[in-house]
Amino acid sequence: GENVEQHPSTLSVQEGDSAVIKCTYSDSASNYFPWYKQELGKRPQLIIDIRSNVGEKKDQRIAVTLNKTAKHFSLHITETQPEDSAVYFCAAEPAAGNKLTFGGGTRVLVKP
Amino acid sequence: GAGVSQSPSNKVTEKGKDVELRCDPISGHTALYWYRQSLGQGLEFLIYFQGNSAPDKSGLPSDRFSAERTGGSVSTLTIQRTQQEDSAVYLCASSLVPGVGGYTFGSGTRLTVV
Repeated sequence: GENVEQHPSTLSVQEGDSAVIKCTYSDSASNYFPWYKQELGKRPQLIIDIRSNVGEKKDQRIAVTLNKTAKHFSLHITETQPEDSAVYFCAAEPAAGNKLTFGGGTRVLVKP
Repeated sequence: GAGVSQSPSNKVTEKGKDVELRCDPISGHTALYWYRQSLGQGLEFLIYFQGNSAPDKSGLPSDRFSAERTGGSVSTLTIQRTQQEDSAVYLCASSLVPGVGGYTFGSGTRLTVV
């Protein structure tokens, strides 16, 4: 089955700096890669996603890149703000429409 | 409904008792998933329902765990003879069509076994 590794497990950045979270996956058949943000005590919420026919996608201050050959994808947050502090999870889903496999999460702390 | 509803939001139970957790997915969503999240940890897959297909139970940690989905809508996760290691937040999610879009998660049920 699919295995998703996520790094780093914790990330501390100064407000205004950029944050980058990296994930690798094992199943070359995976073609859908969402990212979720989970604030303390709340449910995970989808913030951005990318499909395997696209190399990069942007939505305001967040962007995701995908390298299918290397089987890795990354989340980039620019101009970080304190409200970006949360745990971020990457995930991968195979083309068969099976379940998402999640990475272990990255705890991001944005220091004012 | 407007979102995924889970009940109860909190449950404290004594070791050895059975518990039932309920999930009401978004109307029309064909896929329903249960995940478990221990304190400060990631999302552990438990079980997945898709339409009328047989559920994918590959993530259930032991035969004390079971789940059903009645009428293609509401799902119940049952844990028999609860153990302290079962303490976690149990998250339910649904999606319109698997592989098309991401999940919408419920707020979870925080289970504490004492």
